[in-house]
Amino acid sequence: AQTVTQSQPEMSVQEAETVTLSCTYDTSESNYYLFWYKQPPSRQMILVIRQEAYKQQNATENRFSVNFQKAAKSFSLKISDSQLGDTAMYFCAFMNTGTASKLTFGTGTRLQVTL
Amino acid sequence: GAVVSQHPSWVICKSGTSVKIECRSLDFQATTMFWYRQFPKQSLMLMATSNEGSKATYEQGVEKDKFLINHASLTLSTLTVTSAHPEDSSFYICSAKAGTGGVWGYTFGSGTRLTVV
Repeated sequence: AQTVTQSQPEMSVQEAETVTLSCTYDTSESNYYLFWYKQPPSRQMILVIRQEAYKQQNATENRFSVNFQKAAKSFSLKISDSQLGDTAMYFCAFMNTGTASKLTFGTGTRLQVTL
Repeated sequence: GAVVSQHPSWVICKSGTSVKIECRSLDFQATTMFWYRQFPKQSLMLMATSNEGSKATYEQGVEKDKFLINHASLTLSTLTVTSAHPEDSSFYICSAKAGTGGVWGYTFGSGTRLTVV
């Protein structure tokens, strides 16, 4: 079974600064997908970014980018120019393409953006 | 974009009664939907995978007789918590895979907060 580990329960960053959230995973598969989801206080899950394991290029979505290290099974999220609206729980998630498309979530990192 | 509508957003019920939660895909067909449970300040735990026209697949440890899932159409899946007890109080979220080919993602409902008193 796949596991996803987020070792930072809480993090804080000042507005306009950059923060990196860590995620590691364990799998024996070679092809899979990785995701970062954001859950603000409203508790609505919002997709932040997605990475296909077969792509070497790191995914980028505006202020959000990932550092995907396949050999190390690491998938960190960098948030640049942090905004107050980025305050939320962030979940790293894994999906094995060979199974029934199930998402396995990490335990989450609570990010607080301060003035 | 793809939208998943989940109702109700919150519900309070008496112990021993049943509660039904609906999850609808509004602008796409969802052959598969997923039901999660989330305790306060914790992650999402997959309960079951709901497949249109067939029986749901439950994760280990989830009581299928207690958490009844029905996926009768391509746009509607329901989760019924039967004979609810206070320990069933939680936040329940549904999700569906939307899109095809290289452009797709998982869309989540807004969740249902269930309180059993």
